Amino acid sequence: EPEVTQTPSHQVTQMGQEVILRCVPISNHLYFYWYRQILGQKVEFLVSFYNNEISEKSEIFDDQFSVERPDGSNFTLKIRSTKLEDSAMYFCASSVSRRQETQYFGPGTRLLVL
Amino acid sequence: AQSVTQLGSHVSVSEGALVLLRCNYSSSVPPYLFWYVQYPNQGLQLLLKYTSAATLVKGINGFEAEFKKSETSFHLTKPSAHMSDAAEYFCAVSDRGDDKIIFGKGTRLHILP
Repeated sequence: EPEVTQTPSHQVTQMGQEVILRCVPISNHLYFYWYRQILGQKVEFLVSFYNNEISEKSEIFDDQFSVERPDGSNFTLKIRSTKLEDSAMYFCASSVSRRQETQYFGPGTRLLVL
Repeated sequence: AQSVTQLGSHVSVSEGALVLLRCNYSSSVPPYLFWYVQYPNQGLQLLLKYTSAATLVKGINGFEAEFKKSETSFHLTKPSAHMSDAAEYFCAVSDRGDDKIIFGKGTRLHILP
């Protein structure tokens, strides 16, 4: 069964460093999403992406964040200058079409900022 | 604004007993509602979703949930718990016009032998 994959599974970085989290969505899906979950808190929506542009973003998704689909398979989340409060589990998701189609989630990348 | 409240961050049931995980939502428009499950070291897997058809929704692994508009609830149930049901369960809501899904804090289900 096709699934969303994410790399790396864990990443440790120093405050102020740039990180890139990678996702490979399901191949025939057209909509892509990033969510995050700070330890002990809710899963929060960050951004949705379609047709090479951001479709919707949350207040969390400020100028430090960016997303890109650099090729036909990868979908990336970049954090330009990480802060301690960026430490979280980051989930990528994809769906065939938008809105109420089922979003399929990857296993997550656990980011720790020191 | 939409929100989801899950009652109980941890729920323990005996194997074979009824599973009941509670979820209440707040939405200004008829919502779409979801239950996701997360097994250790895995991603979020959709158990079931309500999209305005039948109010009783059946999902995978024997789970079902009932949409009750008057109570703004969408509780998840399973008649007989199995050890493999031990996981974290997330209730979620989405406005029909939105891309995003709003998640609850999650309920960790423990199954006692």
